[in-house]
Amino acid sequence: GAGVSQSPRYKVAKRGQDVALRCDPISGHVSLFWYQQALGQGPEFLTYFQNEAQLDKSGLPSDRFFAERPEGSVSTLKIQRTQQEDSAVYLCASSFVNTGELFFGEGSRLTVL
Amino acid sequence: ILNVEQSPQSLHVQEGDSTNFTCSFPSSNFYALHWYRWETAKSPEALFVMTLNGDEKKKGRISATLNTKEGYSYLYIKGSQPEDSATYLCAFYNTNAGKSTFGDGTTLTVKP
Repeated sequence: GAGVSQSPRYKVAKRGQDVALRCDPISGHVSLFWYQQALGQGPEFLTYFQNEAQLDKSGLPSDRFFAERPEGSVSTLKIQRTQQEDSAVYLCASSFVNTGELFFGEGSRLTVL
Repeated sequence: ILNVEQSPQSLHVQEGDSTNFTCSFPSSNFYALHWYRWETAKSPEALFVMTLNGDEKKKGRISATLNTKEGYSYLYIKGSQPEDSATYLCAFYNTNAGKSTFGDGTTLTVKP
């Protein structure tokens, strides 16, 4: 497809489990972003990549969160030892460099029980 | 910390009503302001990219204005329709940081 693809769309995890969320950006988009959206709030920045380089990871809430984009295309957000407060929608977006306009996937909704 | 504020948080209107909501953002180091529409079970989609003070943009019944000197943008919807029901997000793009900071959104519900 032509858009940003995220999987899984829905994930239920038991507290303490590790989860991995995948994002396949629009072909040719250099920049890739991860945002976390909690209920009733706007998307909060987690991290972003330019090609394979992770330029900013200041929004990752703890060292349990890890993101990678090894070949500058597909990205994975990994959350280790999930906690209930990790329950949120995780949005991935890609963009052309320097325009700022984001093209979003449909998000991965994580529920931690 | 960059503050992007949106108001109101939610809005319920009747079909045919016109409505508007506000996004306020820092007036210094402005680069771009984006409006997105996020419908339930879909991905957020860009409505407008606004870069110049005084910008006015229009797409059908939806329009937006920008005042970078005082740090606000308005989004207007004329003659709301049920299909306009969505959350409208604004995002302040900081070119130095290379990332966007979002407001919490305004959730619009249009009743037939």
